[in-house]
Amino acid sequence: GAVVSQHPSRVICKSGTSVKIECRSLDFQATTMFWYRQFPKQSLMLMATSNEGSKATYEQGVEKDKFLINHASLTLSTLTVTSAHPEDSSFYICSASESGLGYGYTFGSGTRLTVV
Amino acid sequence: GENVEQHPSTLSVQEGDSAVIKCTYSDSASNYFPWYKQELGKGPQLIIDIRSNVGEKKDQRIAVTLNKTAKHFSLHITETQPEDSAVYFCAATSGRDDKIIFGKGTRLHILP
Repeated sequence: GAVVSQHPSRVICKSGTSVKIECRSLDFQATTMFWYRQFPKQSLMLMATSNEGSKATYEQGVEKDKFLINHASLTLSTLTVTSAHPEDSSFYICSASESGLGYGYTFGSGTRLTVV
Repeated sequence: GENVEQHPSTLSVQEGDSAVIKCTYSDSASNYFPWYKQELGKGPQLIIDIRSNVGEKKDQRIAVTLNKTAKHFSLHITETQPEDSAVYFCAATSGRDDKIIFGKGTRLHILP
């Protein structure tokens, strides 16, 4: 089946620095990938839709200058948390659909970001 | 936009008994309803899904039912086992923008 690889699984960074998270579709091409954020014991909140070759679409309330998304190829999307602060600490998860038809989404294993 | 409500938030079931989790959605255009299982520190894993042209789907101990008229769908797990303990999320998506909207999750505890 479709596999989505996400790296790193855990990262600790200092306040003010930037962190890049990678999301790769290993055995399929994905023109669209999605980035979610999950706080402890809460649901997944969609942050943005990453579109290959074009700008990402951000959900209301998500700062696009804070969370930079790049989808340079059909198998890779990156999320960069810029000038990170402790309140950015969270679990970030990406997903992609092999079919690209609105179903069959596969999720990455997530990245636990801790900003100290 | 779409809104997905999920109940209960926590569910404790004796091992071997059945568990039922219910969800409702608001957007009548939604046509795909996946269910995910999430274990601690991991990403969600798809366990079963159903499309709007089907009323019921079963895969071994797991089944999902969909009532389009009432806009609700349910997950049924029979003969529960300890490894079924996890957080389960229902979700819905329409064909318009491919966004998956999640319910708030149900923490399922299987009691020995």
